[in-house]
Amino acid sequence: EVQLVESGGGLIQPGGSLRLSCAASGFTVSSNYMSWVRQAPGKGLEWVSVIYSGGSTYYADSVKGRFTISRDNSKNTLYLQMNSLRAEDTAVYYCARDYRLDIWGQGTMVTVSS
Amino acid sequence: SSELTQDPAVSVALGQTVRITCQGDSLRTYYASWYQQKPGQAPVLVIYGKNNRPSGIPDRFSGSSSGNTASLTITGAQAEDEADYYCNSRDSSGNHLVFGGGTKLTVL
Repeated sequence: EVQLVESGGGLIQPGGSLRLSCAASGFTVSSNYMSWVRQAPGKGLEWVSVIYSGGSTYYADSVKGRFTISRDNSKNTLYLQMNSLRAEDTAVYYCARDYRLDIWGQGTMVTVSS
Repeated sequence: SSELTQDPAVSVALGQTVRITCQGDSLRTYYASWYQQKPGQAPVLVIYGKNNRPSGIPDRFSGSSSGNTASLTITGAQAEDEADYYCNSRDSSGNHLVFGGGTKLTVL
């Protein structure tokens, strides 16, 4: 079964760091364009970052310089390292496959608050 | 512009046809994808490309595009279609994705 499972969310203080994981099954992360998308409480979807199969990475302006997307091919897992977290980063974070975002995980909640 | 614009809310009578639109300059270059999201659930891809449905998506969902506007049409809306619908596409650089603000569909 093709599946994505996120983990790593939680409550973190402003300025802190957190690493999200997205474990894939049924397909190979490194062969796909993989994205992170977030959704603040009661708000719409916001694209965060992408990593191409070739390794190129791109970020939304709102997170550029603070977040880093990466993958571990041996673990078939996608990551999002989030540094210098702000209250406005509070959201459910989803990972998704392909530029079409055809497969989504269930999401992991990140709350940035003191 | 890298923005996509959607109407915040649309309603449709049960069994009738509804069109949800998405406008943006990037749609002149890239096709839109459409996602359905129900409360407390992850989004689900319903339409991508010119007019393609993933496996398991009912054929009452269809997509079209003209100029800077993409449309999602539900022909014969069902109660279970009540949800938020989001469009997205690549932006003008081709390397970023951009989402519309979402349309809340109410089935009356």
